[in-house]
Amino acid sequence: NAGVMQNPRHLVRRRGQEARLRCSPMKGHSHVYWYRQLPEEGLKFMVYLQKENIIDESGMPKERFSAEFPKEGPSILRIQQVVRGDSAAYFCASSPLQRDTEAFFGQGTRLTVV
Amino acid sequence: SQQGEEDPQALSIQEGENATMNCSYKTSINNLQWYRQNSGRGLVHLILIRSNEREKHSGRLRVTLDTSKKSSSLLITASRAADTASYFCATDAMNNDMRFGAGTRLTVKP
Repeated sequence: NAGVMQNPRHLVRRRGQEARLRCSPMKGHSHVYWYRQLPEEGLKFMVYLQKENIIDESGMPKERFSAEFPKEGPSILRIQQVVRGDSAAYFCASSPLQRDTEAFFGQGTRLTVV
Repeated sequence: SQQGEEDPQALSIQEGENATMNCSYKTSINNLQWYRQNSGRGLVHLILIRSNEREKHSGRLRVTLDTSKKSSSLLITASRAADTASYFCATDAMNNDMRFGAGTRLTVKP
């Protein structure tokens, strides 16, 4: 059972381009969380999704950011028209449907906007 | 908004000493989890404590939870240089959101 897979591990984008970050949850997990981590800082919650549903996107910037978790395929975090301030590590975590279980994290995608 | 708040922000100790980190949170929770992150890496789950539990042990780790004070502590006994990392608490709230604090950066000097 492979762990949470994020790709790419490193992503470089020029200002104004789009960034697509992928997260494949662990097999059997139906909850996905996305977090952003700026250098030397903690993890900031962005969005919580279940299959085909956004449950809580209160941590997502209102513009340029979107997330989805389709019925088939990975969860996608999409950042349009990237700016330098978007440079960060983006982590996703997945957990199963059952309550009181740990979440498993991917290794993160490090986005650099140049 | 963030849920957990860890303190101290940074902690530096000698190998062999104990390290205690604290976490406070704001809303009712189902459980609280502690994670470790080595520099530039992903997060590793350490321990989960449910809201009806008061204390939990795992190896050199001891976690306590006080729901009346909305706080938890992580104790690492007999620390080692390899324990150097950032430690985060995460709260699983009633709506199954999982929120993290800013973390405690622990440095264990050999």
